[in-house]
Amino acid sequence: DTAVSQTPKYLVTQMGNDKSIKCEQNLGHDTMYWYKQDSKKFLKIMFSYNNKELIINETVPNRFSPKSPDKAHLNLHINSLELGDSAVYFCASSQDPWGGTEAFFGQGTRLTVV
Amino acid sequence: GNSVTQMEGPVTLSEEAFLTINCTYTATGYPSLFWYVQYPGEGLQLLLKATKADDKGSNKGFEATYRKETTSFHLEKGSVQVSDSAVYFCALVNGGATNKLIFGTGTLLAVQP
Repeated sequence: DTAVSQTPKYLVTQMGNDKSIKCEQNLGHDTMYWYKQDSKKFLKIMFSYNNKELIINETVPNRFSPKSPDKAHLNLHINSLELGDSAVYFCASSQDPWGGTEAFFGQGTRLTVV
Repeated sequence: GNSVTQMEGPVTLSEEAFLTINCTYTATGYPSLFWYVQYPGEGLQLLLKATKADDKGSNKGFEATYRKETTSFHLEKGSVQVSDSAVYFCALVNGGATNKLIFGTGTLLAVQP
């Protein structure tokens, strides 16, 4: 029974396309996140939602738009994909946004833009 | 600002060798500190954590002690196994309204039989 699941696991698409990655957590957590991991394994937060409200929005191009229809879901939509968007995107959740509690990560979505 | 610095990899060890992966941090206030592990092809999993100075986190034979005086949280294991091969991330959370996990660059550990 997967705690944080994201789909798809792999996504190969052409430049200029629009794509979405979905994430769901069944842990009853209030906070969800999107992280980007580049080819050197460096992880950087992109967005965080707490109870469907955006609380962290790092310096991310506005081609990236998160959407949280309810607190168990946080989807990531990307418009006009560019080569530099190729990365592994991780969804995560935690009980609260205040720190100290464990974040649970999904298995990642490997996005390749060609 | 807040940041985490960890030793560059890859670290290559023989089975049963002693492991240390260094991690130091910069933060205002009193952050919580974490080690996450990423096995090949998987997401990150929490390995251990410490939420205040002098706390020791431990799990699966790994240990790390929160040292405020040296702003460090080094990861150690007395005897590594092939199954420990993974990427290890040191991270901190510094609380507040816009709290977020800040990761180090990750250290790849390869354990050879």
